[in-house]
Amino acid sequence: QQQVKQSPQSLIVQKGGISIINCAYENTAFDYFPWYQQFPGKGPALLIAIRPDVSEKKEGRFTISFNKSAKQFSLHIMDSQPGDSATYFCAASRRGKLIFGQGTELSVKP
Amino acid sequence: GAGVSQSPSNKVTEKGKDVELRCDPISGHTALYWYRQSLGQGLEFLIYFQGNSAPDKSGLPSDRFSAERTGGSVSTLTIQRTQQEDSAVYLCASSPDSGAKSYEQYFGPGTRLTVT
Repeated sequence: QQQVKQSPQSLIVQKGGISIINCAYENTAFDYFPWYQQFPGKGPALLIAIRPDVSEKKEGRFTISFNKSAKQFSLHIMDSQPGDSATYFCAASRRGKLIFGQGTELSVKP
Repeated sequence: GAGVSQSPSNKVTEKGKDVELRCDPISGHTALYWYRQSLGQGLEFLIYFQGNSAPDKSGLPSDRFSAERTGGSVSTLTIQRTQQEDSAVYLCASSPDSGAKSYEQYFGPGTRLTVT
C-alpha cells in the first residue's frame, strides 16, 4: 500500500529553468513532509521540510508548496543548475518513520 | 564531523546464507533507522530504534529479518537464509531528535547486498 505517490518518475530541465516535482499522500496523520536529495552512490540528504499547517516554505532556490485539503505537496527548484541533477524523494513523516515517494530522477542540461 | 558509517559497503552472498550489516550512527544521536532501497520498491522503512524504548519493527518484511542496537549506539541488521529478492541497498540513518523534528535524518552511504 503506497501512501505517498510521486511524479514524474524522471524530469529533464534546461539550466536556468524551473523543476517541479509533485507528491500526493493518503494518510492525514503525518506530522512533517520532507524532501530528500540523493546523488549516485550516496545516501539521501535532507533538503527542505514543511509542516502541514504551513502552505509554503522557501529556502534559497528550493520551495515547497503544500495543499492540505488536496493532500498534495510539491517541490519547485528555481534557476535549476547541472549540479542539481540527482534523484529527489518526497516523504511523509509519522513518529520518526519516513514513508517515501518513488523518487524523481532530475537531469539539468547545460 | 563524522557522519553515519556502514559496513561493508558491498556484500555478495549465496542464497540461503545469513548476513550481518553494520551501522555506526552519528555520536549523540538517539534515534536510528534502517531502510531498504531497491529498484522495484523505492525506499522502504524497515525498523526504528529510539533510546531504550522497544523498537518499531513494523516495516520488517519477514521474520528472517532482525536488528539490534547495542549500548544505544551501533546497530546490526541480520538477514537469515537470504533470498534473491533481498538484493537491495540497505541504508541506515540516525537522528538527533525523537520528537517533532525526527524527520531530520542523516543517512549513511548504504550497504549494497547482492544475493546470488
